[in-house]
Amino acid sequence: EAGVVQSPRYKIIEKKQPVAFWCNPISGHNTLYWYRQNLGQGPELLIRYENEEAVDDSQLPKDRFSAERLKGVDSTLKIQPAELGDSAVYLCASSPNPFSKDNEQFFGPGTRLTVL
Amino acid sequence: GQSLEQPSEVTAVEGAIVQINCTYQTSGFYGLSWYQQHDGGAPTFLSYNALDGLEETGRFSSFLSRSDSYGYLLLQELQMKDSASYFCAGVYNQGGKLIFGQGTELSVKP
Repeated sequence: EAGVVQSPRYKIIEKKQPVAFWCNPISGHNTLYWYRQNLGQGPELLIRYENEEAVDDSQLPKDRFSAERLKGVDSTLKIQPAELGDSAVYLCASSPNPFSKDNEQFFGPGTRLTVL
Repeated sequence: GQSLEQPSEVTAVEGAIVQINCTYQTSGFYGLSWYQQHDGGAPTFLSYNALDGLEETGRFSSFLSRSDSYGYLLLQELQMKDSASYFCAGVYNQGGKLIFGQGTELSVKP
C-alpha cells in the first residue's frame, strides 16, 4: 500500500514569492491534515479536512495561507507571499477517520521550505 | 489549555532501557499517542493509550495515568537504530485533534 505522497520534497524561494505544496493521501483515507514543523519542535496542525470540507482551520494564518482539497482526495497548501518565518517542514498526514481505534495518523515525508 | 511537556533530550547505551516522560493538560484530553521521527523522516506512529495502564508492543511500551496527567514511553533493549526524536501527542476533542509535545531526542551510544 502506498503511503502519503508529498511534493516537492525541498523548496527554496525568496521572501514575498508564492509557493505551493501538494499532498496525495493514502487511498480511502477521508481525513487529511496539514502540519508545520519548525526545527526542534513538534508538528503543529494548520488545517484538517474531512473529505473536501475544512473542519478545523483555526491555526491557519489566513492572511497568507490557503488550502484546498478538491474532490476530497489530493490537497494543496499555498503560501502567498512567503515570509522568512515560514521556513519549516510542511507535513501532510491522513487517517481513515479522526475517530479510528488508535487515532493513528499516517505522515508523508514532508516538504522542507527555505525562505531566503 | 492543551499543551504537553517532555524532556528535550535523553542519552542511553545500547541494550539499556530508557523511559521518556510526558505530562499533559487535561482540558478536552482523550488519549495519548507516541510517534517516532528519524532525522529528515516522517513521524511514524508507535502507540496509543486511551485507558490507564500499560500497552506493550515488542520492545516498546507506553503507559498512561489519567489521575496524574502523565504518561511515558519505555524502550527496552535499545539499539542504535532507536536514535531518533520521540513525540508524545495528546488526542483532544474525541479524536479530532493531535497536539504534539516538543519532542525528546534520544541518542543511543555503543
